[in-house]
Amino acid sequence: DAGVIQSPRHEVTEMGQEVTLRCKPISGHNSLFWYRQTMMRGLELLIYFNNNVPIDDSGMPEDRFSAKMPNASFSTLKIQPSEPRDSAVYFCASSLGARGEQYFGPGTRLTVT
Amino acid sequence: QKEVEQNSGPLSVPEGAIASLNCTYSDRGSQSFFWYRQYSGKSPELIMSIYSNGDKEDGRFTAQLNKASQYVSLLIRDSQPSDSATYLCAVRKTDKLIFGTGTRLQVFP
Repeated sequence: DAGVIQSPRHEVTEMGQEVTLRCKPISGHNSLFWYRQTMMRGLELLIYFNNNVPIDDSGMPEDRFSAKMPNASFSTLKIQPSEPRDSAVYFCASSLGARGEQYFGPGTRLTVT
Repeated sequence: QKEVEQNSGPLSVPEGAIASLNCTYSDRGSQSFFWYRQYSGKSPELIMSIYSNGDKEDGRFTAQLNKASQYVSLLIRDSQPSDSATYLCAVRKTDKLIFGTGTRLQVFP
């Protein structure tokens, strides 16, 4: 069975550029979560969706960050414009129901120079 | 006070020993608790979930929950070098998981 799929796995970009991260949840899962992990702050929830609807985006750091889930099998996290402090590993996780067990994708390592 | 606290370690144990990882949480109303294992450069992997007071065993892993004292622990029996990783404790708060910063475990031969 395919797990959560994320792309790209690595992204290096210059400050000011737009970055788009992609996620495909596990088939049949109806909740999707975007996390960011850094050494300083650990693993932080940015936003989550339930049945393609954003439920809580209180973890999104700034207006530069936006996320969409146009259908049950695809979500994007966009940063525009990117800044060096956005450098981190971004994980997507999915679950069956918002209170189900969450399974993580392999992550996207973002470096903004 | 952090919502979920873990000792960052490293916790070093010899191969074959029992590794004991601890986690405390602040929300007395929490009902669901999870342990994730994260190897360096990899994503968190769910290894245990526990919802009721007491022990839950799965192979070499035992999760222990004490809601009165607000702590959850993970025991790894017969530790192997392949168990060397960071172990993240997560506590559910409404629909979200709140993660601790993780405990780094080192198992030496």
